[in-house]
Amino acid sequence: EDQVTQSPEALRLQEGESSSLNCSYTVSGLRGLFWYRQDPGKGPEFLFTLYSAGEEKEKERLKATLTKKESFLHITAPKPEDSATYLCAVMTTDSWGKFQFGAGTQVVVTP
Amino acid sequence: NAGVTQTPKFQVLKTGQSMTLQCAQDMNHEYMSWYRQDPGMGLRLIHYSVGAGITDQGEVPNGYNVSRSTTEDFPLRLLSAAPSQTSVYFCASSKTGSGETQYFGPGTRLLVL
Repeated sequence: EDQVTQSPEALRLQEGESSSLNCSYTVSGLRGLFWYRQDPGKGPEFLFTLYSAGEEKEKERLKATLTKKESFLHITAPKPEDSATYLCAVMTTDSWGKFQFGAGTQVVVTP
Repeated sequence: NAGVTQTPKFQVLKTGQSMTLQCAQDMNHEYMSWYRQDPGMGLRLIHYSVGAGITDQGEVPNGYNVSRSTTEDFPLRLLSAAPSQTSVYFCASSKTGSGETQYFGPGTRLLVL
């Protein structure tokens, strides 16, 4: 059975304190891995898509990486505005059109 | 572009009542989907559509119906609401559903008493 697990469930950071979020997956074949940001009371906002092991994507203070078993979202020198829940999702090669999401990591960055 | 819009924003239903959650997009996307989000469980796919007239089931389809008569609209119907359907519902769309950027609506918060 396909599984997507995110850790930790919650993360509290001081402003400027870099850290990483983990998304581990067990799937038959990976078509793509996706990262989203979700602010309270709003819909998820797309951040990155990764397709193959070794691929990396960057946007401002965020960097996503992918291996054959997991993906990391690195937050470098975070600011309070980076506070959000970060979700990862996968699409497998035998379930086109179906996205499977992890439970998310809630990040709070304090000044 | 308005993007993905959802109505209503909030709804209270009694057990057994029916209702339709509306979703529309103005980006000419072929792929649209419905999710529910419950605390600690992330987003779970209910139904999705890869084009007008084509729908398929996701992970948690029971108790929900969908249809796709136009490219723009993808309504979600609850035929007989149950307390277990209390959740936040999100609609999303993307160009083809093959893994490109997926845009989400603002959500509908549903409470079933």
